[in-house]
Amino acid sequence: NAGVTQTPKFRVLKTGQSMTLLCAQDMNHEYMYWYRQDPGMGLRLIHYSVGEGTTAKGEVPDGYNVSRLKKQNFLLGLESAAPSQTSVYFCASSYPFRDRVTYEQYFGPGTRLTVT
Amino acid sequence: SQQGEEDPQALSIQEGENATMNCSYKTSINNLQWYRQNSGRGLVHLILIRSNEREKHSGRLRVTLDTSKKSSSLLITASRAADTASYFCATERRQGAQKLVFGQGTRLTINP
Repeated sequence: NAGVTQTPKFRVLKTGQSMTLLCAQDMNHEYMYWYRQDPGMGLRLIHYSVGEGTTAKGEVPDGYNVSRLKKQNFLLGLESAAPSQTSVYFCASSYPFRDRVTYEQYFGPGTRLTVT
Repeated sequence: SQQGEEDPQALSIQEGENATMNCSYKTSINNLQWYRQNSGRGLVHLILIRSNEREKHSGRLRVTLDTSKKSSSLLITASRAADTASYFCATERRQGAQKLVFGQGTRLTINP
């Protein structure tokens, strides 16, 4: 199993450009998440999905859109990149434990995005 | 907003010593988890403690939870150079919330 993979690993964008980050998981997990990590800020949740075809806003959703057309994929889009979106982006997935009320998250390796 | 705040922000100890990191949070929780992040990598889950548990062990890790003080601690015993990493606490605020709120992390350095 590859676990959670992210594409690309690095990207440099100019202000106003658009791009899509791809997250894929092969663990048949129901839940998927996009976070951003900035120095000294920990991880902040951008958007998440609790199943195929569903998405929900997290803590910092502005400037981002997501789609979950297939259970194994979760796409994060930046329609018009801004320097404030320079960050490291992490995707994660999870499934509920047998009691269906607790779970752990599995993380991808991250995408380092720089917007100039 | 950050739910958890780790303390200290950075910790440097000698190999073989014990390392203790603390996490405080603001609202009631369903469970609290600890994750490790090696430099330039994604986070890895270490241990989960439910709100009705007070202490949990996993190998060299010991986690405590005090819901009355809204705090948790992570103890790593007999530290090794490979334990050098950032450690984050994460809380699930309510049962079925299906999302975690992460703290800012503690940067742990183990000196050989």
